Amino acid sequence: DSGVTQTPKHLITATGQRVTLRCSPRSGDLSVYWYQQSLDQGLQFLIQYYNGEERAKGNILERFSAQQFPDLHSELNLSSLELGDSALYFCASSVVASAQEQYFGPGTRLTVT
Amino acid sequence: GQSLEQPSEVTAVEGAIVQINCTYQTSGFYGLSWYQQHDGGAPTFLSYNALDGLEETGRFSSFLSRSDSYGYLLLQELQMKDSASYFCAVSGRGSTLGRLYFGRGTQLTVWP
Repeated sequence: DSGVTQTPKHLITATGQRVTLRCSPRSGDLSVYWYQQSLDQGLQFLIQYYNGEERAKGNILERFSAQQFPDLHSELNLSSLELGDSALYFCASSVVASAQEQYFGPGTRLTVT
Repeated sequence: GQSLEQPSEVTAVEGAIVQINCTYQTSGFYGLSWYQQHDGGAPTFLSYNALDGLEETGRFSSFLSRSDSYGYLLLQELQMKDSASYFCAVSGRGSTLGRLYFGRGTQLTVWP
């Protein structure tokens, strides 16, 4: 158990819908990262927040957005969902913003039908 | 941009030693990390090399040669529970520090 929690564990929704994935980092960690893992794209970095501020952006679609709240939990919002958005979404956390050692949550498996 | 190459599959028997190689091309390299992921599970950090040489952590060791843009993960005394996917990941400098770019992963199967 990494100490990072993610909810929900599974999510099944229809195309065109909007969902919110939630992540609570390990106690004391200020940095939160979001990754998408799919069979064709592998594990892809989406976005990073550090102490409430966006720090780095990866291959995140415009339909996706995220934020980190004052209590340091983070939410990833996915809208206008397409079949290709079906994937495992992981949240990871670390103490500092530049960590190569990141602690991953159990993931949210999103299925878009 | 960044690109990483690692073998897609490796098989070995219990008790054996296996080496998983990773070559990378990246702008502004900072370090090479290794993660383990069991089926359907979360990636778990194994090791990190910022400098050339070998880092040892129990049965696992990781090596880096910055001049060759190459690293490897060495797993010794293989156990069945080591069957998993292994990912190398690079991080860059400056604004990309902390962003991990992952390889496609190497599926390790350990046979009894």
